[in-house]
Amino acid sequence: DAKTTQPPSMDCAEGRAANLPCNHSTISGNEYVYWYRQIHSQGPQYIIHGLKNNETNEMASLIITEDRKSSTLILPHATLRDTAVYYCIVRDTGANSKLTFGKGITLSVRP
Amino acid sequence: DTGVSQDPRHKITKRGQNVTFRCDPISEHNRLYWYRQTLGQGPEFLTYFQNEAQLEKSRLLSDRFSAERPKGSFSTLEIQRTEQGDSAMYLCASSLIGGGGTTQYFGPGTRLTVL
Repeated sequence: DAKTTQPPSMDCAEGRAANLPCNHSTISGNEYVYWYRQIHSQGPQYIIHGLKNNETNEMASLIITEDRKSSTLILPHATLRDTAVYYCIVRDTGANSKLTFGKGITLSVRP
Repeated sequence: DTGVSQDPRHKITKRGQNVTFRCDPISEHNRLYWYRQTLGQGPEFLTYFQNEAQLEKSRLLSDRFSAERPKGSFSTLEIQRTEQGDSAMYLCASSLIGGGGTTQYFGPGTRLTVL
């Protein structure tokens, strides 16, 4: 079972920041938080990941709370092309490291 | 930059037929994963390889499913005697082991429809 909970959907206006929440209250010390997104009928696209510190790349920022029990993915200036299902995944760095997906959150960016 | 590629992108078959899908990982990636995704659900892990060794298989991988990665490069997933319940998107991902937090990169998927 997925170790994360996300609201089923949210929307935001084009050009505004989209803040996507994720709860992972049972995360353990060696588990990373990963975010992927999936645009309709395509394979999942890697966005960002982090362990403890906040992370930023060209796509997004990841804010992880100090207790690591929740995180927020921030898309600073959402565009229509950001409409997708976003998956928050907690992943062990151990031997297998398979990804366990939940249902994700559907982000709809409106014009 | 060559990403993960999968072939075919779409496959329509009749119940009872055998199908085979191919996945070409990112060059030099030593881990290769197969996932299955049904409508409205997130992808589910099926199996993974490290180089040519198949190291884990999910209980979702019934006896009708077989996966190979003979030379540690491309992989094939075969489904024998297909059933309508096998209709799904089959996704392949690859990663390079080493250090913490190895990232999996996904291909575009093969959409299977069993009539």
